[in-house]
Order: sequence, then C-alpha cells, then structure tokens
Amino acid sequence: EPEVTQTPSHQVTQMGQEVILRCVPISNHLYFYWYRQILGQKVEFLVSFYNNEISEKSEIFDDQFSVERPDGSNFTLKIRSTKLEDSAMYFCASGVRALNTEAFFGQGTRLTVV
Amino acid sequence: AQSVAQPEDQVNVAEGNPLTVKCTYSVSGNPYLFWYVQYPNRGLQFLLKYITGDNLVKGSYGFEAEFNKSQTSFHLKKPSALVSDSALYFCAVRDVRSGGYQKVTFGTGTKLQVIP
Repeated sequence: EPEVTQTPSHQVTQMGQEVILRCVPISNHLYFYWYRQILGQKVEFLVSFYNNEISEKSEIFDDQFSVERPDGSNFTLKIRSTKLEDSAMYFCASGVRALNTEAFFGQGTRLTVV
Repeated sequence: AQSVAQPEDQVNVAEGNPLTVKCTYSVSGNPYLFWYVQYPNRGLQFLLKYITGDNLVKGSYGFEAEFNKSQTSFHLKKPSALVSDSALYFCAVRDVRSGGYQKVTFGTGTKLQVIP
C-alpha cells in the first residue's frame, strides 16, 4: 500500500540553525500539506501546496518557514532560524484531490530545538 | 471559521463493550468530517469520512460514525471495543464553503483506553 514517508524520524538542532524536513508524498497525489503537533497539543495546519505554489497557509507559517517541491517527488519544509517553540512533531500529508478526499499522513518528524 | 470540539480528553471502556468518542463541529457551510487515529510514535491514520449521503458512515477496523446535522455532531462508535483500539483519536472538519485546498481543522484528540 502506498504511503507518505518522512525523513528523518527525529531531528535535533540548535536554536537559530536552519532545518529541512523531508517528505515523499504518494506518487499520484497532487495536494501536499504540512501539519505540526506540539507535544500534548492538537494537530495544527501549517500550509498546503498545489501546482508548485502555496495555496493556503496558517498564521503559524511565517517568514521563517518555506516549502518546496524541488524535484517532483520530494516535498520539503524549511525552517530558517529555529526557535525553541518550533519543537514539535511535523507531519507531511498528501491527497489526490482537495475537496472531498482524505489526506494521507506520514509518520512524522520529531523536531527538537535545543 | 471552522472548528471542532472533542469534549473528552480520555475515554475508558472495557474490552467487548461498545465505545463512543464524541465530536462536535462548527462551520459556516456544509462540513466534510473525518476521523483519524494515532498510535504511539506513529502518524495519523485515516479511519473514515463523511462527505454527503448516508448519515452513518462505516470505516476501518469496525469503526463507524454518525453525522447529525441538527446537533452538529460526528461521534465515533464501535460495537465491541478491542484492547488494540487503545490510541489517540482525532476528529477533523473542513468547511465546504471555505474553498481553497483543504485546510483541515483538528480537534484536540481523545485518548481511548480499552481495559482488558
């Protein structure tokens, strides 16, 4: 069964450093998303991406964040200068269509900023 | 704005008993509703969805959910709980009227503990 894969599973970084989280969505999917889950809190939408551009983003997704689909298979989330409060589980998801379909989630990358 | 509420942080149920995990939502238009399950150290797994049609939706692992428009609820149910059902359950909603590309709002999650 096809699945969304994320690497690394755990990333530790120093505050102020740049970090890139990687995702390989399901191959025939067209819509891509990043969500995050701070420990013990709810899953929060960050950004959606379609047709090589951001289609929607939340207030969390500020100028420190960027997304890219550099080669048609990978989908990355970059945090330019990490802060302690960026520590969270980051989930990538993808979907076939936007409207009435579910998204398929990866297993997540646990980001720890020290 | 769309929102979803899961009023119970934790639900405990004995194995073999029926279970219900509650969810209520708020949208300005018609909702698309989803249930996801999260096992420890795992991502979110899709269980079921309501888009339109029959109010009773059947999903994976024997779970079902009932859409109730008048009560704006989408409770998750299973007739007979298994210990392996113990996990964190998330309800999610998307407002059809919101357009865009599927910003889904998740609830805070309900931890289901099935007691042997």
